[in-house]
Amino acid sequence: DTTVKQNPRYKLARVGKPVNLICSQTMNHDTMYWYQKKPNQAPKLLLFYYDKILNREADTFEKFQSSRPNNSFCSLYIGSAGLEYSAMYLCASSPGLGGSSYEQYFGPGTRLTVL
Amino acid sequence: AQKVTQTQTSISVVEKTTVTMDCVYETRDSSYFLFWYKQTASGEIVFLIRQDSYKKENATVGHYSLNFQKPKSSIGLIITATQIEDSAVYFCAMTINNAGAKLTFGGGTRLTVRP
Repeated sequence: DTTVKQNPRYKLARVGKPVNLICSQTMNHDTMYWYQKKPNQAPKLLLFYYDKILNREADTFEKFQSSRPNNSFCSLYIGSAGLEYSAMYLCASSPGLGGSSYEQYFGPGTRLTVL
Repeated sequence: AQKVTQTQTSISVVEKTTVTMDCVYETRDSSYFLFWYKQTASGEIVFLIRQDSYKKENATVGHYSLNFQKPKSSIGLIITATQIEDSAVYFCAMTINNAGAKLTFGGGTRLTVRP
């Protein structure tokens, strides 16, 4: 089973309000990722957890937070949503960073609309 | 830094025919991994096939195969006997051994398979 689950599937948020998105996987994967995808653009990596270590991309460092309370769950937190945060947020997981285990398995995404 | 380019923004084919989608990449690393993903109409991103840079044989999975031309830094996706449900956006992506698992995506190619 290569299922990655995301909740909610759709999220409506007000400008300036916080947003918390949830992702889970039961494959015991070491690494979990969060991507932002806007229409007609490639997915953009926001951050990833390798085990308990969080790595955030330099250009989104201050905009997004994340937590991984256990191997199966990972959240994405936006402290104060802006209109530019409207996008599809994709969670993915992979078995590890090294070796041949580079395939990432994506969840169905959460479509965030900020009004 | 890595770069992935998909020059074809959209392709339309008749079902049951063969289609090739182009992808070229740039990297200074000698060891890297190449992937093709498909984004369905619902927005879900699905892993299709991969090619490891050290392997000379072209990867094949079901009716997907790759045309790996290392000297040209090219990794084309070939879909044989296309079906209507193959209509989707296809993303080429790559990662390298010490990139912290970061996938670099191309811009995507929209494939339309018509009756």
